Amino acid sequence: GAVVSQHPSWVICKSGTSVKIECRSLDFQATTMFWYRQFPKQSLMLMATSNEGSKATYEQGVEKDKFLINHASLTLSTLTVTSAHPEDSSFYICSARGTGGRLRYTFGSGTRLTVV
Amino acid sequence: KQEVTQIPAALSVPEGENLVLNCSFTDSAIYNLQWFRQDPGKGLTSLLLIQSSQREQTSGRLNASLDKSSGRSTLYIAASQPGDSATYLCAVPSGTYKYIFGTGTRLKVLA
Repeated sequence: GAVVSQHPSWVICKSGTSVKIECRSLDFQATTMFWYRQFPKQSLMLMATSNEGSKATYEQGVEKDKFLINHASLTLSTLTVTSAHPEDSSFYICSARGTGGRLRYTFGSGTRLTVV
Repeated sequence: KQEVTQIPAALSVPEGENLVLNCSFTDSAIYNLQWFRQDPGKGLTSLLLIQSSQREQTSGRLNASLDKSSGRSTLYIAASQPGDSATYLCAVPSGTYKYIFGTGTRLKVLA
């Protein structure tokens, strides 16, 4: 149980275009989802926290207009990288926290974004 | 501000060795600590979750301990295998929901 599906696993896009990454909780309802970014050989850095039906909370230094997060249902959150640039190339991972007081967080398999 | 550090940053050992990975955190007011495994280019797999009331957790060849007062946790891997090669991350909660991740230990077990 507790599976989080993240799609796509990798994407290459041209500079200036937008890319959408999906994060789905397959067998549980996720009231809260988290989006992380990971640069090569570095740890995960939290970008934003999204709660179903409300606006995402962004960490300091993360541009909310560039990284649009939507959490429209209890099983789906999306991260859209708008007007992507090469410096946005990174590994993006989502995490979901279930309802009912679950303390264990389930992570998606990640998305490798390369902007050329 | 919570800071999480892991030592060593990288480790290369022959197969069969017993290993200890270290994690230290600056704010001891945590309610749990998790250890994760990350394979190259992949997401995270939760290995062990230790509640603040517990001192250790075991899963197969893995044993994790937690000493809140000293701000430390260790992950012990017994009889290491090449399949254990990965990056190991510890993480502690910050606030209600956020997790702060350590810098990771890149482990390579040689056959």
